[in-house]
Amino acid sequence: DSGVTQTPKHLITATGQRVTLRCSPRSGDLSVYWYQQSLDQGLQFLIQYYNGEERAKGNILERFSAQQFPDLHSELNLSSLELGDSALYFCASRTIGAAGELFFGEGSRLTVL
Amino acid sequence: GQQLNQSPQSMFIQEGEDVSMNCTSSSIFNTWLWYKQDPGEGPVLLIALYKAGELTSNGRLTAQFGITRKDSFLNISASIPSDVGIYFCAGLGGANSKLTFGKGITLSVRP
Repeated sequence: DSGVTQTPKHLITATGQRVTLRCSPRSGDLSVYWYQQSLDQGLQFLIQYYNGEERAKGNILERFSAQQFPDLHSELNLSSLELGDSALYFCASRTIGAAGELFFGEGSRLTVL
Repeated sequence: GQQLNQSPQSMFIQEGEDVSMNCTSSSIFNTWLWYKQDPGEGPVLLIALYKAGELTSNGRLTAQFGITRKDSFLNISASIPSDVGIYFCAGLGGANSKLTFGKGITLSVRP
């Protein structure tokens, strides 16, 4: 158990819909990272938050947005869903100073039909 | 952007064999990391390397940070069935850089 909690574990929805994925980082961690994992693309970095503020942006589509709340949990919002958005979405957190040492949640598997 | 190359995409070995995986890049990294992902789980950190030339072990796993800072390798000795999974290398550049992952190598271990 990494200490990072993600919900829901599985989600099936239709094209055009909007979903929200939720992540709670490990106790004491201020950083939250979101990654997308699809079969042919590996782990793609989407966005990072640190203590409520956006810190870095990766290959995140304009249809996707995220935020980190004062209690440090984070939400990833995916809208106008397309078939190609079907993937595993991982959240990770890390301890201050331990650059690169991420603790990943178990992921949210999104299926868009 | 920075890219990490891992190949082949899949490896098949016999239980008890050793296996070595490489990760290369055209860019220099200051930190190299190796993660393993079990089926249905998130990636888990195996080894982190912070200094060029560093050789670090974690049980049957050994990893090295290449002296050029453009590559790293992971060696698994005396493989067992639970070594099955996807092995990702990851690299971190300078300050404020983002962690870059390779596409991973899927390891299968035949009993």
